[in-house]
Amino acid sequence: GNSVTQMEGPVTLSEEAFLTINCTYTATGYPSLFWYVQYPGEGLQLLLKATKADDKGSNKGFEATYRKETTSFHLEKGSVQVSDSAVYFCALSQSPSGLQGAQKLVFGQGTRLTINP
Amino acid sequence: DAGVIQSPRHEVTEMGQEVTLRCKPISGHDYLFWYRQTMMRGLELLIYFNNNVPIDDSGMPEDRFSAKMPNASFSTLKIQPSEPRDSAVYFCASSSGLAGRSTYEQYFGPGTRLTVT
Repeated sequence: GNSVTQMEGPVTLSEEAFLTINCTYTATGYPSLFWYVQYPGEGLQLLLKATKADDKGSNKGFEATYRKETTSFHLEKGSVQVSDSAVYFCALSQSPSGLQGAQKLVFGQGTRLTINP
Repeated sequence: DAGVIQSPRHEVTEMGQEVTLRCKPISGHDYLFWYRQTMMRGLELLIYFNNNVPIDDSGMPEDRFSAKMPNASFSTLKIQPSEPRDSAVYFCASSSGLAGRSTYEQYFGPGTRLTVT
């Protein structure tokens, strides 16, 4: 079945460091890919997305590129801030076919990121 | 626009009591999801609905859990009787699956933190 594997956490970095959180997936067809972020005490929020191969999603300085050849969607940011401390989830849609099952997202286990000043 | 609304935000109850969690999805969304999040098991999909009809309840832990969606703007998740191992944060999310307009993004509520003593 479809699955998402994320880099094991927790990840601790200093402010202004470069961030990479790895995400690889297994899926049939051509899923859409997502990164969600969860700040302490809150629900998940969509951070960025990509809907087809070679698409680059970006938001708030974060980027991720949909790599079909390596089945990856790694999250990167050039210079992290203390306010980026959160849990990050990689996810995929089951299928772009529009069937009911397509609306079900498969989430990775989450990666906790802590940025120290 | 109002986001997904959940109530209560916090619930503390004694083992054996009935617990009802409530969710109001984003207006116009036709999919509604219930998730449970714990440190041990991460984010788990419990059940989801399309047009008020349950599509997949394979994630519901056992018969003590039930979910209903009597109309497009309201859903409940009930636990009866509750047990300490049900302590978790329960999230509701909604999305739009309308043909030609779906982006498969899910919008999460702030969650209900349930503690069963």
